[in-house]
Amino acid sequence: EAGVTQFPSHSVIEKGQTVTLRCDPISGHDNLYWYRRVMGKEIKFLLHFVKESKQDESGMPNNRFLAERTGGTYSTLKVQPAELEDSGVYFCASSQAVSYNEQFFGPGTRLTVL
Amino acid sequence: DQQVKQNSPSLSVQEGRISILNCDYTNSMFDYFLWYKKYPAEGPTFLISISSIKDKNEDGRFTVFLNKSAKHLSLHIVPSQPGDSAVYFCAASAPTGGSYIPTFGRGTSLIVHP
Repeated sequence: EAGVTQFPSHSVIEKGQTVTLRCDPISGHDNLYWYRRVMGKEIKFLLHFVKESKQDESGMPNNRFLAERTGGTYSTLKVQPAELEDSGVYFCASSQAVSYNEQFFGPGTRLTVL
Repeated sequence: DQQVKQNSPSLSVQEGRISILNCDYTNSMFDYFLWYKKYPAEGPTFLISISSIKDKNEDGRFTVFLNKSAKHLSLHIVPSQPGDSAVYFCAASAPTGGSYIPTFGRGTSLIVHP
């Protein structure tokens, strides 16, 4: 069974540009989560989808971030326009149920904003 | 304002010895605790968890201890192996709105020397 995949693995952009990150969850997992880790700091929650609906987006830093999950399958996270402080590793995770079951994480996308 | 704190950024241990990773939390509403392990260029993977109704959970070489009164948990690895070298994240969840989103610490980098 394929795990959570993320694309691209790395992205280097200039301040003011737009970047779109993609996450493909494990097949059959209705729950999809986005997290971000700024270097050396904690992994911070951004938002949670249940199928195509946003269940919790309390962690989204500001309106420059837009997440979508059309059709309840893969998800995209767009940053527009990117700022220097957006640099970090963006992780996607998925789970089958909303419970204390552990979430399965993807390898992350390392975003560098210059 | 960190609710989950891992005060040791790194830990170095000799192969065969015990590794003890510590974690403190401040939110008394947390009732489920998890440890994740992360290798470079990979996402975190679930390692072991413990519910607040228990004070110990063991899985092979890994044991997690929970001290609710001290709001402290620890992960013991015995015996430590070079393949255990990774970043370990402590995480805690509270049943807020049914989303069970974990709050992560900053991680402790464990190096096990042969």
